[in-house]
Amino acid sequence: DQQVKQNSPSLSVQEGRISILNCDYTNSMFDYFLWYKKYPAEGPTFLISISSIKDKNEDGRFTVFLNKSAKHLSLHIVPSQPGDSAVYFCAASGTGNQFYFGTGTSLTVIP
Amino acid sequence: EAQVTQNPRYLITVTGKKLTVTCSQNMNHEYMSWYRQDPGLGLRQIYYSMNVEVTDKGDVPEGYKVSRKEKRNFPLILESPSPNQTSLYFCASRPTGFTEAFFGQGTRLTVV
Repeated sequence: DQQVKQNSPSLSVQEGRISILNCDYTNSMFDYFLWYKKYPAEGPTFLISISSIKDKNEDGRFTVFLNKSAKHLSLHIVPSQPGDSAVYFCAASGTGNQFYFGTGTSLTVIP
Repeated sequence: EAQVTQNPRYLITVTGKKLTVTCSQNMNHEYMSWYRQDPGLGLRQIYYSMNVEVTDKGDVPEGYKVSRKEKRNFPLILESPSPNQTSLYFCASRPTGFTEAFFGQGTRLTVV
């Protein structure tokens, strides 16, 4: 039973435009959320996180939005760059011990 | 350089032949974990460890064992591998609390 879902397996965006990646979760006990980026043949690398006491966290071109009532978070990348082309995973945790990952969204930024 | 090192990177083995995938971190992190990545299923947690001699099951622990005798090492053991354990495996470490994890580069395991 997938507790964290990324319903879009892939996304293509023109360079310079906004990329919006979405993630939904089912467990209302989750209170810490993260986004990871993964290039082929490499391990995931941390991108940005947000705790449930916030609804937005920004780091440079990356912003994560959290809508607790909808159990939904999104990652915005503005402006998108070709180097952003990767698979993006969202992850969630309630206890800080077990982390649940989504299935990933493959982002392609077209030059 | 701060890193999580997994070995081997690639492994092909036969059903039933015991194997160990090693994982080592040099960041003095208390928490370590193992994940497997499969198409359409994302990353699923196999086991995690909060500290030396403290381990617990994740979502998909069947067929796997782990040990944490030293803080820096967290090997994943497959006592009798089966083809359904063919997957891409990642080890991760982080400090305790709500923080991000650092991942190794992955081990591609094929069981024939």
